[in-house]
Amino acid sequence: NAGVTQTPKFQVLKTGQSMTLQCAQDMNHNSMYWYRQDPGMGLRLIYYSASEGTTDKGEVPNGYNVSRLNKREFSLRLESAAPSQTSVYFCASSDREGAYNEQFFGPGTRLTVL
Amino acid sequence: GESVGLHLPTLSVQEGDNSIINCAYSNSASDYFIWYKQESGKGPQFIIDIRSNMDKRQGQRVTVLLNKTVKHLSLQIAATQPGDSAVYFCAAASGGSYIPTFGRGTSLIVHP
Repeated sequence: NAGVTQTPKFQVLKTGQSMTLQCAQDMNHNSMYWYRQDPGMGLRLIYYSASEGTTDKGEVPNGYNVSRLNKREFSLRLESAAPSQTSVYFCASSDREGAYNEQFFGPGTRLTVL
Repeated sequence: GESVGLHLPTLSVQEGDNSIINCAYSNSASDYFIWYKQESGKGPQFIIDIRSNMDKRQGQRVTVLLNKTVKHLSLQIAATQPGDSAVYFCAAASGGSYIPTFGRGTSLIVHP
């Protein structure tokens, strides 16, 4: 099992460009999440998908959109990138919807917006 | 909403010592707590969790203690090794939302 995979690993964008971060999990998990991590900060939730076909906003959703393509894949889109979106982005998944359970994280995408 | 904080941003210990990393949370309704370890350049990795009906839970070389009275939890690492060097995050969740809120992290530095 690869667990949670993310592409790309690194990306540099210019202000105003758009891009999609890809995430896939092979653990048959129901729930998937997108977080951002800034220096000296904890993880902040951008969007999540409790189950296939549903998505909800997290703590910091502005400037982002998501798509739960199928049970395996959950993508994060930046329509018009801003320097404030420079961050490390982590995708995570967990097994059960609506229950306490550990999250499995991907290796992250390091995004710089110039 | 929930806020979760750690007392110290950095903790330095000698190899073989025991390490204690502390965390405080604000929401008295929080009833599930998790510790994650994040090594440099990697995503967070689950270490141990505890529910509010417990005061203590032990894993392999790790122990989590929960004090609900003062809304505090700690992670104890026995016989700390250089491989334990990482940033440690605590997170808390409550029944209204099963998604945890993360603290800022403590960087554990283990000196050989």
